[in-house]
This record gives sequence, C-alpha cells and structure tokens, in this order.
Amino acid sequence: TQLLEQSPQFLSIQEGENLTVYCNSSSVFSSLQWYRQEPGEGPVLLVTVVTGGEVKKLKRLTFQFGDARKDSSLHITAAQPGDTGLYLCAGQGKTSYDKVIFGPGTSLSVIP
Amino acid sequence: ETGVTQTPRHLVMGMTNKKSLKCEQHLGHNAMYWYKQSAKKPLELMFVYNFKEQTENNSVPSRFSPECPNSSHLFLHLHTLQPEDSALYLCASSQDRQGGNIQYFGAGTRLSVL
Repeated sequence: TQLLEQSPQFLSIQEGENLTVYCNSSSVFSSLQWYRQEPGEGPVLLVTVVTGGEVKKLKRLTFQFGDARKDSSLHITAAQPGDTGLYLCAGQGKTSYDKVIFGPGTSLSVIP
Repeated sequence: ETGVTQTPRHLVMGMTNKKSLKCEQHLGHNAMYWYKQSAKKPLELMFVYNFKEQTENNSVPSRFSPECPNSSHLFLHLHTLQPEDSALYLCASSQDRQGGNIQYFGAGTRLSVL
C-alpha cells in the first residue's frame, strides 16, 4: 500500500520567516501535486511536478521533486499571513490507472 | 472559483434524517469523486465515477449512497448517519480517471450529525 507522510504536522511561524515542509514516501510516483486548503474551503492546486529533480517556483513558493520521485519539498520564503492553511501533497502511482493518494497535510499558521 | 460547486456548504442533520449533497462541475470533466475529510486524518476517497459509471467504492457504509446522473453532476445521498460521520465532504473532478489527471476540488459541505 502506498503511503505519503508529511512533516511537520503543524508549523507556526512569524511573518517574514522562511520554512520548508516535506512529503515523503517509500513508493515511486509518476507525478506529485501540492495543494493548499484554507479553513472552510476545499484544496486548491498549487503545482504539479513530474520529473525527478524538477524544481518549480510560484512567487515565494519553491517546489522540488526528489531525484527518485519518492519525495518532495515545499519551501516558502518570507512567509505572509495569507500563506496560512493546510498544505497537502498528493501522489500519482506509476501506472495510468493507479490511484492518487493524499498525505495527511501540514497545517501552517503565519502570525502577523 | 475552481469550477466545482458544492451545495449546501453547511448541513446539520439528525441520525434519522435523509439528506443529499450536490456537486456540479463546469470544467467538462468526465471523472468525479467524493472524499471525506475528518480532523487529523488524510483525505479518504469514498467513491469514483468515470463517464457516469461507478468505478470505485472504498468500503463505504451503505448509509452513503452516491448518484451520478451525468458527467457534470454528482450526488451523495445520506440516511441514518452516525455522529462519527460528521466531517467535511469534498467533491472533485478530473478529465478522466486515467493517471496524471489533476483533480479540482469544490469548497466542500461541512456536515454535522447530531
């Protein structure tokens, strides 16, 4: 059974600080998505990474897919209160019909 | 606005009530999903429909009954629920069920069972 672990589970930081959250698995994924979910809302897709070692940037957010496509990280520079939310990673298995599985999420709180 | 609309946004029901959750997508997708999100747990996939056919039922109790009349609409009929069924129910859609297709989520229905 494929499992995704995310760390840390909770993170509370001051505005302006940098942070990194991690998504790890023992399984290889053909692609991995990061979502952000704000309180009372559904998850919103931030990025998809496909190639091992791939790095994508979205303003102050930097996403990296591990070389072996088993793990990923999300780095936020100069965090702002608007970054507060639950960050979910989701992995797509190796074959076209494999299920997408979600990690438990990292709950981020950025304090003004 | 993700193109996936869920109604109602909030629902409170007793254990003997019957209610339905509705999901509508305006993205031209062919696959639709129901997820359950409880506190401190990963998203739990409940049902998957691909081209209106149910392709997955992840051991969901029969008190949850899905219906997909067409590729744009998905319902979740609820009856005789238990307090532990209280959760955020999320609907998602994707191009189809094949791999690599990104899922887009609605805002969810917050369900409380008393």
